[in-house]
Amino acid sequence: NAGVTQTPKFRVLKTGQSMTLLCAQDMNHEYMYWYRQDPGMGLRLIHYSVGEGTTAKGEVPDGYNVSRLKKQNFLLGLESAAPSQTSVYFCASSYPGQGIKNIQYFGAGTRLSVL
Amino acid sequence: GESVGLHLPTLSVQEGDNSIINCAYSNSASDYFIWYKQESGKGPQFIIDIRSNMDKRQGQRVTVLLNKTVKHLSLQIAATQPGDSAVYFCADITGAQKLVFGQGTRLTINP
Repeated sequence: NAGVTQTPKFRVLKTGQSMTLLCAQDMNHEYMYWYRQDPGMGLRLIHYSVGEGTTAKGEVPDGYNVSRLKKQNFLLGLESAAPSQTSVYFCASSYPGQGIKNIQYFGAGTRLSVL
Repeated sequence: GESVGLHLPTLSVQEGDNSIINCAYSNSASDYFIWYKQESGKGPQFIIDIRSNMDKRQGQRVTVLLNKTVKHLSLQIAATQPGDSAVYFCADITGAQKLVFGQGTRLTINP
């Protein structure tokens, strides 16, 4: 049971390049999330999904797109990377429901640098 | 807007002492709170949670206290160990099942 797995772990992009971050979970969770974490700040929600085929915007969605074609996978795309998107990206997943049922489990993160 | 914040960005304690990490929240409708621990190079890891109908909850070496009157919660770690060195985040859920994270407190354990 691997939990939440993110690939790649590190990536360097040039401004304007595109890339996709992959998140996979093996816990059969309905909900999945993408966060970014910048130095000295907490995690901020980019997009999330409450089930296969659904996505919704979080707190900082601009410049990102997501897809949830399979229940176990949640993809985060950057169509035209900008230096402001340099950050550490975390994926998380959870069961639906209230309280303890909604504890989110996180991956190890992807460190992205945009030059 | 909704926010969750921490009083101190860093905290240093001696090994074996107790640690107290504080957190303030702004949304009086918040009904569930979680503490996460994030070690260097890793994702956040769940430590303990508390519902808004509780004042205190204890786990293994950790206790969370909730004061709804002043919208404040704290995480107490007993007999801190080197492995407790990490950044600690409080987060709240306000019905929408989306966590709102504070900025984090970096806990350093001195030998």
